[in-house]
Amino acid sequence: QQPVQSPQAVILREGEDAVINCSSSKALYSVHWYRQKHGEAPVFLMILLKGGEQKGHEKISASFNEKKQQSSLYLTASQLSYSGTYFCGTEGPYGGSQGNLIFGKGTKLSVKP
Amino acid sequence: DSGVTQTPKHLITATGQRVTLRCSPRSGDLSVYWYQQSLDQGLQFLIQYYNGEERAKGNILERFSAQQFPDLHSELNLSSLELGDSALYFCASSVGGSVGEKLFFGSGTQLSVL
Repeated sequence: QQPVQSPQAVILREGEDAVINCSSSKALYSVHWYRQKHGEAPVFLMILLKGGEQKGHEKISASFNEKKQQSSLYLTASQLSYSGTYFCGTEGPYGGSQGNLIFGKGTKLSVKP
Repeated sequence: DSGVTQTPKHLITATGQRVTLRCSPRSGDLSVYWYQQSLDQGLQFLIQYYNGEERAKGNILERFSAQQFPDLHSELNLSSLELGDSALYFCASSVGGSVGEKLFFGSGTQLSVL
């Protein structure tokens, strides 16, 4: 089951904050976040494992609420380099395999000067 | 550079034809994944291999097949191509293919079916 991301797109000014949400209808083992710039391959940002942990990567952090099957990506004091499409990917005990990652449709983030 | 190599970068072909996309994983990675990316569907998981064996299958059409060879490189074969198969095809690799491993993506193969 494909996770649902929201919003689909967001436009920010440099220095503003944003939150991207990812939710699943199924139980999750982990949530991954990737960023893809136009014309490039997706690049790994972070993984959150079940347990409700929160992780940070520079000014980008994320949380994972296992009970609600939701994750949120927080971008603070956005920079022009943050522009791109953000994908969450979920791993769960469905489909007979724990090893494949199912991605949401992505959230397009545009940071303007 | 992720260390994952995909060839060719671009492929233009006609409907009904067959093509082969090739992927070499990062050194030491045993698991290979194939994803299809189109504008309206995002990244769609197709299939995963681990050390030569199929481990997981996603929304892969019967016209598509893949394999992973003893040297761990993988090929995705697309046959009887249709216009709707035009997309960006990514290969990714990970160390063991288990839960919680990050994926390293190649730069993709842009397939255009005319």
